[in-house]
Amino acid sequence: NAGVMQNPRHLVRRRGQEARLRCSPMKGHSHVYWYRQLPEEGLKFMVYLQKENIIDESGMPKERFSAEFPKEGPSILRIQQVVRGDSAAYFCASSGGTMSEAFFGQGTRLTVV
Amino acid sequence: AQRVTQPEKLLSVFKGAPVELKCNYSYSGSPELFWYVQYSRQRLQLLLRHISRESIKGFTADLNKGETSFHLKKPFAQEEDSAMYYCALSYSSASKIIFGSGTRLSIRP
Repeated sequence: NAGVMQNPRHLVRRRGQEARLRCSPMKGHSHVYWYRQLPEEGLKFMVYLQKENIIDESGMPKERFSAEFPKEGPSILRIQQVVRGDSAAYFCASSGGTMSEAFFGQGTRLTVV
Repeated sequence: AQRVTQPEKLLSVFKGAPVELKCNYSYSGSPELFWYVQYSRQRLQLLLRHISRESIKGFTADLNKGETSFHLKKPFAQEEDSAMYYCALSYSSASKIIFGSGTRLSIRP
C-alpha cells in the first residue's frame, strides 16, 4: 500500500492560469479531505468528499475553487484563475470513515508567479 | 462552533527537559482527539489518539473533559522530537477533522 499519493509535488502557475491538484487515497479508503497550509499557519480545512459526493465544503472559497472525487480515479482540487494569494501547500488526507485515523499525502506546493 | 486551540506557535526547550504542548478544544459532546506530527520534509502522520491510551515515542496525552484539554507531554525531550505538532478533533456527526494551528517544537542540544 503506497499510502496517499499527491501529484504534482510542486506546481508553478502564472496568475490567471488553472491549477489541478490530484490525490489518490489509500487503498480501501473512500473519504478524502483537502487542507490548505499557508506559510507560518496551520492546516485549514477546505472540503470533505466521499466517492462522487461532496459532503462538506464549508472551507472552500466561494469562487474559483472546486473539488471532485469521481467513482474512478483520483480526487481533484481545481483552482481557476489563480492569484498570488493561492500560493500555499495543499494537503490531501484519506480515511476509512469519520473518527478514523486520517492518512496524509506529502502535499502539493503551489506557487503562483 | 467546534474548534481546537493551540496557544503556542513555538516552543523551545533543552534536550532532556520536560515538554508540554497545550491543546484546548470546544465541543460539548464526546470528541475523538488526536495529535499529529510533521517532521521536517515528511508528511503529516498520526502520533497518538486519546482512545488508544498509549505512549508513542515517549509522548502521552490525557483527555481532560472538565478542562476540555488534551495536552501532549513527554518527560525528557530528545533532539529528534523537533517537529510541528498539530492537535485535532473529530466527533461522530462530524464531516471533517478539525486541526489546531500547530506548535513548532524545537529541542536545543
